[in-house]
Amino acid sequence: DQQVKQNSPSLSVQEGRISILNCDYTNSMFDYFLWYKKYPAEGPTFLISISSIKDKNEDGRFTVFLNKSAKHLSLHIVPSQPGDSAVYFCAARLGFGNEKLTFGTGTRLTIIP
Amino acid sequence: DAGVIQSPRHEVTEMGQEVTLRCKPISGHNSLFWYRQTMMRGLELLIYFNNNVPIDDSGMPEDRFSAKMPNASFSTLKIQPSEPRDSAVYFCASSLGTGNDDEQFFGPGTRLTVL
Repeated sequence: DQQVKQNSPSLSVQEGRISILNCDYTNSMFDYFLWYKKYPAEGPTFLISISSIKDKNEDGRFTVFLNKSAKHLSLHIVPSQPGDSAVYFCAARLGFGNEKLTFGTGTRLTIIP
Repeated sequence: DAGVIQSPRHEVTEMGQEVTLRCKPISGHNSLFWYRQTMMRGLELLIYFNNNVPIDDSGMPEDRFSAKMPNASFSTLKIQPSEPRDSAVYFCASSLGTGNDDEQFFGPGTRLTVL
């Protein structure tokens, strides 16, 4: 049973526009959420995170929004750049101190020049 | 600094053969994770160690899979016997392991193909 879901396998966005990647989760006990970015033939790298006590976290062009009542989070990239083309994974953690992460299936983002 | 090192990068084997994947974590990191990536299930945690002790192995699919961490700088994931459905990319990751939202650093992965 997939507790973290990324329902869009792929997304194409024009360079300079906003990219919005979505993630839904089912377990209300998740308390920390992360986004990882993955290029081909490389391992995932950490991008940005958010604690369940917040509803927004921003880092440069990247912003993550958390809607706990809807069990939904999203990653906004503004403006989108060609180097942002990658697979993005959403992940969630169950409790402080627990290092186990539950990942989604990923969304492949393609930025069109 | 070297990141997480995995070997081999690619492995092609026949059904029934034993497969051993290797991982060297980042020096000083106390936690080590083994993940499997497939199209259908994304990234799944198989097992993780802290200070060389297995903490959570609930993701290990079945008895054909085993993992060891004999010391702080080396871990193996073994599949015996291998089956075609084990074909996937296997990632090793490591973290400081303090429990304080430590970032996990991933290796480049081993692409396993079982024929």
